[in-house]
Amino acid sequence: KNEVEQSPQNLTAQEGEFITINCSYSVGISALHWLQQHPGGGIVSLFMLSSGKKKHGRLIATINIQEKHSSLHITASHPRDSAVYICAVRLNYGGATNKLIFGTGTLLAVQP
Amino acid sequence: NAGVTQTPKFRILKIGQSMTLQCAQDMNHNYMYWYRQDPGMGLKLIYYSVGAGITDKGEVPNGYNVSRSTTEDFPLRLELAAPSQTSVYFCASSTRDRGLVYGYTFGSGTRLTVV
Repeated sequence: KNEVEQSPQNLTAQEGEFITINCSYSVGISALHWLQQHPGGGIVSLFMLSSGKKKHGRLIATINIQEKHSSLHITASHPRDSAVYICAVRLNYGGATNKLIFGTGTLLAVQP
Repeated sequence: NAGVTQTPKFRILKIGQSMTLQCAQDMNHNYMYWYRQDPGMGLKLIYYSVGAGITDKGEVPNGYNVSRSTTEDFPLRLELAAPSQTSVYFCASSTRDRGLVYGYTFGSGTRLTVV
């Protein structure tokens, strides 16, 4: 079992829909990242969370440390939101490094 | 623009050839990383560095080598390329100040095919 699990693996939505992508993890963490990767493109960091909720434009990320779960929400989705969304966690073992463990990603397609 | 610059973007290698993937960052980040991304898999850490002159192995280091002679540059060397090294490679950097991690930045990736 992977230490970081995302669901769903694939998601198709109509433009304007509210979208939720979930991330569950089984290890102790000090932070969780949400990343965006467009087809054939690089990876962009969207959020880094250690507690609570963050919002940037139409994107909202939440985390529940006790339940080891995070969600990424997209409001009023648009075709340009089509991308792979990746959840990554930083382990909480107090090491000097900032290594991340990655989920396998959620492929989102927003149709006009 | 500030960020992480990777070259080349694409490369085809023959089995047994060698090459170096270049990575440079201009944000004065202490930490640098090399990841590979295979279809259906999460990114896997190959090597990382916590500062100039210091490198260490990640999850999948076999067949690769790195060096970190300056804060800015972190090249990844592939010796004796094998088909199993066909992948997309990402370089990343981050920094840490008084326990707070920030600035995690990725390069645009290098798509490598070994034939």
